Amino acid sequence: DVQVTQSPSSLSASVGDRVTITCRASQDIRSDLGWYQQKPGKVPKRLISAASSLQSGVPSRFSGSGSGTEFTLTISSLQPEDLATYYCLQYNTYPITFGQGTRLEIK
Amino acid sequence: EVQLVQSGGGSVQPGGSLRMSCATSEFRFSDYWMTWVRQAPGKGLEWVANINKDGSEKHYVDSVKGRFTIYRDNAKNSLHLQMNSLRVEDTALYYCARYVAMDVWGQGTPVTVSS
Repeated sequence: DVQVTQSPSSLSASVGDRVTITCRASQDIRSDLGWYQQKPGKVPKRLISAASSLQSGVPSRFSGSGSGTEFTLTISSLQPEDLATYYCLQYNTYPITFGQGTRLEIK
Repeated sequence: EVQLVQSGGGSVQPGGSLRMSCATSEFRFSDYWMTWVRQAPGKGLEWVANINKDGSEKHYVDSVKGRFTIYRDNAKNSLHLQMNSLRVEDTALYYCARYVAMDVWGQGTPVTVSS
């Protein structure tokens, strides 16, 4: 199985900060990785697919990068509405696996 | 906005069965792989199963193999998850999602397995 290690598990940042979340895969998954945002009590929402393709309607402050085994989600300027848990997902190899999640708090 | 509407689920004792469904009328259903994902209370997301466009290929997470069956009815634009031999650890909110990379999600359906 492909292990996906997401870090940090939680972080607290201020409005306007640049925030980075990382996912590392245990083997090469090319660019078969997505990023999801889940606000409290809400349905997950896809932000990014194929490691770096921004979903239509998602603010441009969100970006994704990486390929192979190391991937990054960046929020360039944190906004209050970005309070959420963020997950990465590898869909290259079965079983499909999510990262453990990063709980993002606003200071 | 594309929507997936879920139904079914509920509460059952260990060893029992439940069926969940997911339907849409807002996209060409037969053009897409479909997926089930679950989230145990207070926990992260877990991929459960997916199925290809015509239902001939199915994949499952090990913990549900032999107990859960994913299937679809393209004539009715619907996806289903038959869950048998349910365990306490299957308690979760279950989501259906479009595509392997899950671009559209249903609203979620709770399943509680408890004695």
